Amino acid sequence: DAKTTQPTSMDCAEGRAANLPCNHSTISGNEYVYWYRQIHSQGPQYIIHGLKNNETNEMASLIITEDRKSSTLILPHATLRDTAVYYCLVSESARQLTFGSGTQLTVLP
Amino acid sequence: DTEVTQTPKHLVMGMTNKKSLKCEQHMGHRAMYWYKQKAKKPPELMFVYSYEKLSINESVPSRFSPECPNSSLLNLHLHALQPEDSALYLCASSLGADLTYEQYFGPGTRLTVT
Repeated sequence: DAKTTQPTSMDCAEGRAANLPCNHSTISGNEYVYWYRQIHSQGPQYIIHGLKNNETNEMASLIITEDRKSSTLILPHATLRDTAVYYCLVSESARQLTFGSGTQLTVLP
Repeated sequence: DTEVTQTPKHLVMGMTNKKSLKCEQHMGHRAMYWYKQKAKKPPELMFVYSYEKLSINESVPSRFSPECPNSSLLNLHLHALQPEDSALYLCASSLGADLTYEQYFGPGTRLTVT
């Protein structure tokens, strides 16, 4: 059973913010929200994770709704190199990551 | 060094061959993972090693045999594979398996079974 649902694809103009949504309505109290991305023909790359509070690092920001049923990954200034499949996952621990279908983000020049 | 290396990058093997995939990390991580990824599909977890012990085997056929000789090295031994086993095989590692540690992925080995 899919734990997360994401749009299949999104476009974003270079230099603009990319906002990638994720629904995880059945998330349990102990499960974290993770985001990874996979650039074509490379291994996935960790972006960010969080439990309840919004998180920010050098790559992105993660906004989690108060009821924790959805989240948004924000890439503040998208570049062409951010074109990738973005995966939203929920898990209690590193050993239980299950990748869903992800969102193909295309950054347009 | 924040790199996970995998060898070989590409492998073509016949259904009667025996081959091995190798994965190495020198980050002091104690958890290592094998994933399988078919074209245009997400990665699927195959095996998890924690402190060099197999902790998860996601119902993977016995023609795939993992081995963790030490904390830095993870092998996947392949024998009598089928053409449908052709895929990208990804290795990953994390500081531990039980907490929310990020996984670092290698570039993968692209396997073709003929």
